[in-house]
This record gives sequence, C-alpha cells and structure tokens, in this order.
Amino acid sequence: NAGVTQTPKFQVLKTGQSMTLQCAQDMNHEYMSWYRQDPGMGLRLIHYSVGAGITDQGEVPNGYNVSRSTTEDFPLRLLSAAPSQTSVYFCASSQNTDTQYFGPGTRLTVL
Amino acid sequence: DQQVKQNSPSLSVQEGRISILNCDYTNSMFDYFLWYKKYPAEGPTFLISISSIKDKNEDGRFTVFLNKSAKHLSLHIVPSQPGDSAVYFCAASRLFQTGANNLFFGTGTRLTVIP
Repeated sequence: NAGVTQTPKFQVLKTGQSMTLQCAQDMNHEYMSWYRQDPGMGLRLIHYSVGAGITDQGEVPNGYNVSRSTTEDFPLRLLSAAPSQTSVYFCASSQNTDTQYFGPGTRLTVL
Repeated sequence: DQQVKQNSPSLSVQEGRISILNCDYTNSMFDYFLWYKKYPAEGPTFLISISSIKDKNEDGRFTVFLNKSAKHLSLHIVPSQPGDSAVYFCAASRLFQTGANNLFFGTGTRLTVIP
C-alpha cells in the first residue's frame, strides 16, 4: 500500500512551457485534491475532485487544469507556466470528508 | 484573506515540557478542525482533529482544545519530545455543496524541542 504518490519530485520549467504533475493513490479514495504551498501562505487549494469525472475549483485555480478519468489518478496540468507558479505542490486524498492524506510533494521552479 | 491564522511562526520548548500551539479562525461556518505535522521534504501528515460540537479531543500526548466563541483552537503536546520538532499546520473545513470538505490552512508554526 503506497498511499499517495507524486511524480516528479522536482521540476524546472521555462516560462510558457506546459507540464503535468502526476498524482496517484491506491486506497480507493473518492476525494482527491491539489494544494500549493508558498512561503508565508500555508497550503492553498487549487482544484479538487469528489469522484471520477467530477472536478471543481478551489481557492487558486487560475493557470491549472485537472481531470479525473479514474479513481486512482488525478493529474494537474500547467498550461503555460509562469514564475508565479513556482511552488511546492501537494496532492491529497481521502475516503471520508474529513481526514486527508498527502503525497510527498513536487517542487516546481519556473524560470 | 487568511481565514485560518497561526500568529506564532516558531516555538522552542525544552524536552519533557508542554508545547502549546495556537490557531485562530474567522469563518464561523467551519465545522471541523485538524492539525497536521510536516517534516522537511515530506507531505503533511494528519495528527489530530476535532468537530465543532466538541471542545476537547485527546490522543495520547496530543490534545486539541476548541473555543468556538473565541474562534480559537490550540494543540497541546505533553510531554514534548525531540521527534516532535516539525512544522505544525492548523486547518479548518466546511461542507461545500458538492459534499467535499476542503481544507483551509494556517501558515504553520515551526516547533523545536530542545533535548
């Protein structure tokens, strides 16, 4: 049981490039979400999903897209990377609506 | 606007003593509160939670207190151990129409337990 896994661990992009951050969970959780952590800001919700085929926006969705085709996977796509998207990204999942389990994070730098 | 606030960026405590971490919130619609612990280069891990219908929840060395009238919660760690040194995040949730509890995080408090 690997829990929540994220790839890659580190990534450097140039402004304007696109990429996909991968997130997978093997706990059969319905709820999955993406957060970003910036210095002095705590974690902020980007997008979330309550099940396959259902996604919605969080606090800071601009510049990001998500889709949920399976229960296990919830990728986060950056369409055109900007320096303001330099951050640490965490994926989380939960079965009930309260306790969420987080992945180890992806550290992204946009030059 | 930050709906969950942790006003102390850092706290140092001697091993064996009590650690008290504080958190304030502004949104009275929050109905569940959680504490997460985070080590460097790792994701946050769930520590303890409390529902808005309770004022105290205890789990081993960790106790969370909720004061709804003051919109304040605190985490007590007794006795503190060096392995407790980490960043602690307070989080709050509310039920959206889709039925998902999304978390609103504070900015974190770095706890250092001195041996």
